[in-house]
Amino acid sequence: QQPVQSPQAVILREGEDAVINCSSSKALYSVHWYRQKHGEAPVFLMILLKGGEQKGHEKISASFNEKKQQSSLYLTASQLSYSGTYFCGTEGRNTPLVFGKGTRLSVIA
Amino acid sequence: DTGVSQDPRHKITKRGQNVTFRCDPISEHNRLYWYRQTLGQGPEFLTYFQNEAQLEKSRLLSDRFSAERPKGSFSTLEIQRTEQGDSAMYLCASSFGSQGGDSPLHFGNGTRLTVT
Repeated sequence: QQPVQSPQAVILREGEDAVINCSSSKALYSVHWYRQKHGEAPVFLMILLKGGEQKGHEKISASFNEKKQQSSLYLTASQLSYSGTYFCGTEGRNTPLVFGKGTRLSVIA
Repeated sequence: DTGVSQDPRHKITKRGQNVTFRCDPISEHNRLYWYRQTLGQGPEFLTYFQNEAQLEKSRLLSDRFSAERPKGSFSTLEIQRTEQGDSAMYLCASSFGSQGGDSPLHFGNGTRLTVT
């Protein structure tokens, strides 16, 4: 079942912060975050696992609330290069990764 | 690590024709995924393999779609009797993972299919 992301779109000025949320109605084993720029393939940002382990880039932070089946991606001090569409993907223990519809982030100077 | 390679990059076909796409994953990756993406949407799961075994196929996927991964290396996705609604970007991804999804997916650049 497809996770729900919010907001659908956000516009930031350089240096501002943003939070992107992802929620699922199913019990989750892991949450993945990817960023896709126009005309390019999605690129891995972070994985959050049940139990608290995180794997990903140092400059990006995220949280995973297992009880609520929710995850949030925190983008701080945004740069122009952060622009793109952010997707969360959710997995159960033996089920494949299913992506949300995405959050389009635009960072302007 | 040469990345995930997909061929062709673009395919234009007439309605009713069959098409086949190829994906070469990162060599040490045992998992291979196929997704479909249309404009403004997230990647839609189609099917995935662990080595040569097809673990799951989307229930929403028509019987016109079939995928193989012989010998657990490259994979092919075939669409028979194409329809205009099949027009999309077809993305392949691979990972090195066990049950539970703790490994990132590495995506190829996709094959853009246009059905006229």
